[in-house]
Amino acid sequence: DIQMTQSPSSLSASVGDRVTFTCRASQSIDTFLNWYQQKPGKAPKLLIHDASSLQSGVPSRFSGSGSGTDFTLTISSLQPEDFASYYCQQSYTTPRTFGGGTKVEIK
Amino acid sequence: EVQVLESGGGLVQPGGSLRLSCAASGFTFNSYAMSWVRRAPGKGLEWVSAISRSGSNTYYADSVKGRFTISRDNSKNTLYLQMNSLTAEDTAVYYCAKVSGRWSRGDSFDYWGQGTLVTVSS
Repeated sequence: DIQMTQSPSSLSASVGDRVTFTCRASQSIDTFLNWYQQKPGKAPKLLIHDASSLQSGVPSRFSGSGSGTDFTLTISSLQPEDFASYYCQQSYTTPRTFGGGTKVEIK
Repeated sequence: EVQVLESGGGLVQPGGSLRLSCAASGFTFNSYAMSWVRRAPGKGLEWVSAISRSGSNTYYADSVKGRFTISRDNSKNTLYLQMNSLTAEDTAVYYCAKVSGRWSRGDSFDYWGQGTLVTVSS
C-alpha cells in the first residue's frame, strides 16, 4: 500500500497568513493526488484534484502543486472559515490512502 | 444539486452486524462509482470500500475485507455497506462518497454525505 505522510500534523496561524502544508507519498504517484478540507462535525470537501486543479467553487486562495512523491497545499491568505483539517489522498492505486491530516488552528 | 445521505448507524455489540445505506440524488447514479470512507474518533480519514458503476466490481481495505460487503441498487439510487463481525476498531463516522469517475486512476471523492456514526461497544 502507498503510505501518505503529511506535515506538520498541526499548525497555528493568523487570519491573512500564507500557509503551506506538505504531503509525501511512499512511492511515485505522478500527479494523482487530491486534497480535502474537513471542519468539525462536517463532511469532507474536495479542494484540489490531480495535484493542482481547483475543484469548482473552491476559492482561488487555495492552490496545490507537486508531482511524484512530494506535494504542497497553499492557502495564500488564511480566512476565518479556513480553520479546519486538511487531508491529502492518493488516487494512483487501490487501496486509496489518506494522509494523517494537518489541523490548522487560530493563533 | 448532488446529495448523498447516509443512514443506518447506531450502537452495536462486538461481533454484531449493521447495514448502512446511502441515498443519492442530483446526479445519474449509475454513471459513477461510489465509496465508503470512515473516520474513527481522534483519527484521520480511512478509505473502506468502493464499487463500480454496475456493481460488478468491488474493492475493500484490508482492515474490512471478508467482513464488509458493499453493494448498490441502481434502480433505487442507493448504496449499501453490510458490516459483519464488528469490533471496537470499526467505531467511526462512516461517510458515503460519490466518486468522480468509474473507479480508475485519477478519480476523486467529489461529494460526501454528512456521515453516520457506528459505535461498537458492549
